Amino acid sequence: EPEVTQTPSHQVTQMGQEVILRCVPISNHLYFYWYRQILGQKVEFLVSFYNNEISEKSEIFDDQFSVERPDGSNFTLKIRSTKLEDSAMYFCASSERQGLGSPLHFGNGTRLTVT
Amino acid sequence: AQTVTQSQPEMSVQEAETVTLSCTYDTSESDYYLFWYKQPPSRQMILVIRQEAYKQQNATENRFSVNFQKAAKSFSLKISDSQLGDAAMYFCAYSPHSGNTPLVFGKGTRLSVIA
Repeated sequence: EPEVTQTPSHQVTQMGQEVILRCVPISNHLYFYWYRQILGQKVEFLVSFYNNEISEKSEIFDDQFSVERPDGSNFTLKIRSTKLEDSAMYFCASSERQGLGSPLHFGNGTRLTVT
Repeated sequence: AQTVTQSQPEMSVQEAETVTLSCTYDTSESDYYLFWYKQPPSRQMILVIRQEAYKQQNATENRFSVNFQKAAKSFSLKISDSQLGDAAMYFCAYSPHSGNTPLVFGKGTRLSVIA
């Protein structure tokens, strides 16, 4: 069964550094998402992406975050200047459609640790 | 705004027994979808079951079934014949029928299965 893949599985970075989290969505999916899960807390929506542009973003997704689909297969989340509170699991997801109950397929996540 | 509430941070069940995880939600929409996702220690978010709000019949997927009470805005998950592999975090989630509103998750319930 096709899967969403994320790399790396664990990223450690120093405060103020830039990180790029990478995702390869399922190939026939058109909608892409990033979610974040701070340790012990619920999964929070960051951003959705369709047709090479952001379709929706949450309050968390401020100017230090950006997303890109550089080559038609990868979907990346960049954090420009990481803060301690950015430490979390970051999940990429994709779906065939938006709404209409189209389930999101999640990757295994990237654990980001900011020191 | 839609909210999803899981009032049980932790639950435990004996192997082969049945357990029910609770979820309530708040929405003004009449058409929507509800999901249960499982997050085992491997961290991947796995879709367990999906319910369409306009369908009266409760969804069933092998040992997993839901009790969907639309008027009460309740969506509980029943796991029958619990297995050790069922041990995981379980997240209840809501999605509108259409539009750009992303999947909204509850805080999760950690299920332990006792051998």
